[in-house]
Amino acid sequence: QQKVQQSPESLIVPEGGMASLNCTSSDRNVDYFWWYRQHSGKSPKMLMSIFSNGEKEEGRFTVHLNKASLHTSLHIRDSQPSDSALYLCAARRANNRIFFGDGTQLVVKP
Amino acid sequence: DAGVTQTPRHEVAEKGQTIILKCEPVSGHNDLFWYRQTKIQGLELLSYFRSKSLMEDGGAFKDRFKAEMLNSSFSTLKIQPTEPKDSAVYLCASSGDKISAETLYFGSGTRLTVL
Repeated sequence: QQKVQQSPESLIVPEGGMASLNCTSSDRNVDYFWWYRQHSGKSPKMLMSIFSNGEKEEGRFTVHLNKASLHTSLHIRDSQPSDSALYLCAARRANNRIFFGDGTQLVVKP
Repeated sequence: DAGVTQTPRHEVAEKGQTIILKCEPVSGHNDLFWYRQTKIQGLELLSYFRSKSLMEDGGAFKDRFKAEMLNSSFSTLKIQPTEPKDSAVYLCASSGDKISAETLYFGSGTRLTVL
């Protein structure tokens, strides 16, 4: 059973547009979320992390977390072609196991 | 600064062979993870070590997959015997950074092809 569900599977946005990605955990023991970005042929790299309710902003990237529903979202404003990548949501269980969703493939069209 | 080092980068094996993948974590990191990545299954957790102790032995992967960490700077993942369905990218990651303790740093991966 998949512990981390991401949507949509794929997303196409125009350059300069807003991309919104979603992630929900079905495991109530999760206490920490990350968003990782993986460019084609490369390894995942951490983009942002969040463990408190609310919002966190870093440059063009904003992440939200609702701990009651175990839902996090990542928003990328002013999307650039270089943002085209696989975005992976990761969640940590209380026993420190870290699980990943299947990812959202983002394409930013010039 | 040295990140996570994985060798080899590519491995081709015949069905039934034994292969060993290697990983050197970031120096000073306490946690080490092995994942397998395929397009269909995504990133699957195979093993997890904390301070060299095996904390997660992979559940469904237990029978043919064995990860070991003989010292804090070296881990291996043995697959025995290999099957074509094992073809995937195997990623090693470590964490335990002083600034961001839980962030995973990934190696470049080993692409395994089983014929």
